[in-house]
Amino acid sequence: AQSVTQLGSHVSVSEGALVLLRCNYSSSVPPYLFWYVQYPNQGLQLLLKYTSAATLVKGINGFEAEFKKSETSFHLTKPSAHMSDAAEYFCAVSGPYGGSQGNLIFGKGTKLSVKP
Amino acid sequence: GAVVSQHPSWVICKSGTSVKIECRSLDFQATTMFWYRQFPKQSLMLMATSNEGSKATYEQGVEKDKFLINHASLTLSTLTVTSAHPEDSSFYICSASRGPTYQETQYFGPGTRLLVL
Repeated sequence: AQSVTQLGSHVSVSEGALVLLRCNYSSSVPPYLFWYVQYPNQGLQLLLKYTSAATLVKGINGFEAEFKKSETSFHLTKPSAHMSDAAEYFCAVSGPYGGSQGNLIFGKGTKLSVKP
Repeated sequence: GAVVSQHPSWVICKSGTSVKIECRSLDFQATTMFWYRQFPKQSLMLMATSNEGSKATYEQGVEKDKFLINHASLTLSTLTVTSAHPEDSSFYICSASRGPTYQETQYFGPGTRLLVL
């Protein structure tokens, strides 16, 4: 079965420091991969997505993620954290499996805290 | 583009009543809409998938008679929680996509927080 694992339920960085949020997936077929951000009491906003084109994907707000097939990973990075980046981040996968209609399978999320 | 709205954003109701939540795609036609449920500090759990003009497909363990989904047009889907009970209190989030396949990006609404007293 397809699954997504986000290592670290809570990550804390200092403002200006590198942000690294880890995501590993399991999929028997080439997946589509997504990172979403959720601010408190809000829905999810798409940060970026991988759709089998370039392996390095650039998203909004300075975030990017690299698809590494050999490592089955899709880690999210940002060179310099900003206070406004504090939120919950979800990695998700979708793919042509099980007759699904584009259903997203989410990781459990990683809460990012940014210290001044 | 690709904005999805939900109404209401907050609802408090008494046990036994029914609550309707609307999900609208404001600037695109959504062939497929999804309904998720999120408990505090947890991830999103898919409840059901609906295609315009068709019956919704419910995930295992989701009572279709309790969570009625209607996708009557390409811009509107509704979720009705019938005879709500306190255990139905949760954050309900919808998403919409232009097509039913996995290649289509899902755009999420801001969510509806339901509190059943």
